[in-house]
Amino acid sequence: GAVVSQHPSRVICKSGTSVKIECRSLDFQATTMFWYRQFPKQSLMLMATSNEGSKATYEQGVEKDKFLINHASLTLSTLTVTSAHPEDSSFYICSASGGQANEKLFFGSGTQLSVL
Amino acid sequence: GENVEQHPSTLSVQEGDSAVIKCTYSDSASNYFPWYKQELGKRPQLIIDIRSNVGEKKDQRIAVTLNKTAKHFSLHITETQPEDSAVYFCAARISGGSYIPTFGRGTSLIVHP
Repeated sequence: GAVVSQHPSRVICKSGTSVKIECRSLDFQATTMFWYRQFPKQSLMLMATSNEGSKATYEQGVEKDKFLINHASLTLSTLTVTSAHPEDSSFYICSASGGQANEKLFFGSGTQLSVL
Repeated sequence: GENVEQHPSTLSVQEGDSAVIKCTYSDSASNYFPWYKQELGKRPQLIIDIRSNVGEKKDQRIAVTLNKTAKHFSLHITETQPEDSAVYFCAARISGGSYIPTFGRGTSLIVHP
């Protein structure tokens, strides 16, 4: 299957700082990337859909000024959590569409964010 | 929009038994149905998928069945092993990169040795 790389895998930061998470598709071009947030023992909660070269589409209730998404190339999308607070602590996962019919969804390894 | 219901939320079986997880979807336009396995703290891994023009697909101990008329699909794991213990998610989507996949709530499968 296709490979999606996500960094960093774990971040511990102080309240008020910003954290950038990178998501790269290593062996395919991802015109669309999805960003999810996952709480313990819960399903994947879609935050936003990111299309290369255009503004991200955010799900209802997700603050676009808080969670900045950039998809500047076909292989890289970034999520920046600005002015992080303890309630932003969570597991963040990116995914990218690939495959022959562009239907398969491949996930990054996730980033565990802990805000102190 | 699409709505995916997944049952059960927890499934406990003895090693060697079979496990079945069921999902229903609401949007008849959905034509691609993947299943993911997620171990604690790790990424969801695609384990099997099925397209709407196929009724059943098998890969060793794992199989997926799809009933388009009833809008439900199921994951079947035979001869379960302790390493099958994980959370399993079903999803439904329309083929195409920009279409948003909808995930079920997940099933925590526990296989007792």
